[in-house]
Amino acid sequence: EDQVTQSPEALRLQEGESSSLNCSYTVSGLRGLFWYRQDPGKGPEFLFTLYSAGEEKEKERLKATLTKKESFLHITAPKPEDSATYLCAVRRSGNTGKLIFGQGTTLQVKP
Amino acid sequence: DAGVIQSPRHEVTEMGQEVTLRCKPISGHNSLFWYRQTMMRGLELLIYFNNNVPIDDSGMPEDRFSAKMPNASFSTLKIQPSEPRDSAVYFCASSLGESEAFFGQGTRLTVV
Repeated sequence: EDQVTQSPEALRLQEGESSSLNCSYTVSGLRGLFWYRQDPGKGPEFLFTLYSAGEEKEKERLKATLTKKESFLHITAPKPEDSATYLCAVRRSGNTGKLIFGQGTTLQVKP
Repeated sequence: DAGVIQSPRHEVTEMGQEVTLRCKPISGHNSLFWYRQTMMRGLELLIYFNNNVPIDDSGMPEDRFSAKMPNASFSTLKIQPSEPRDSAVYFCASSLGESEAFFGQGTRLTVV
């Protein structure tokens, strides 16, 4: 059965304190791993898509990496505005689009 | 593009009443998804359509839930009769093929 597990559930950082969020997955034939950001009261906002092991994507203070079993979202020198819930999702081959989400990591960055 | 548009944003209804949630996907997208989000279970896929055809409805909780997509620019999720345990935030999302999915702002449903 396809499964996505995110850790930690919650993370508190001081402004400028870098860290990483983990997304472990088991899926038959990965056809994309997706990272989203969700602010309270809003829908998930797309950040990155990774397709193959070794791939990396960057956007401002965020960098996403992918291995055959997990993905990391690295946050460098975070700011309070980076506070949000970060969601990871996978899509497997033959599924024409279905995304399976993890439970998310809620990040709080204190000034 | 205005993005995925959902209505209403908030819905409060009494147990036993029928509830209809609406979604307008991004123009040109051919896949549409309905998700439900709760604190306990996170984001759960209820049903998804490809080219207006339901492909996987295994996540629909029970027969009280039904979804339709009469054309490429409109979809509905109906709950009849509604129950308090249906209270959640319901999201609609759309994508083009296997590209990233874009989400609407959600409908917060409260059944009292």
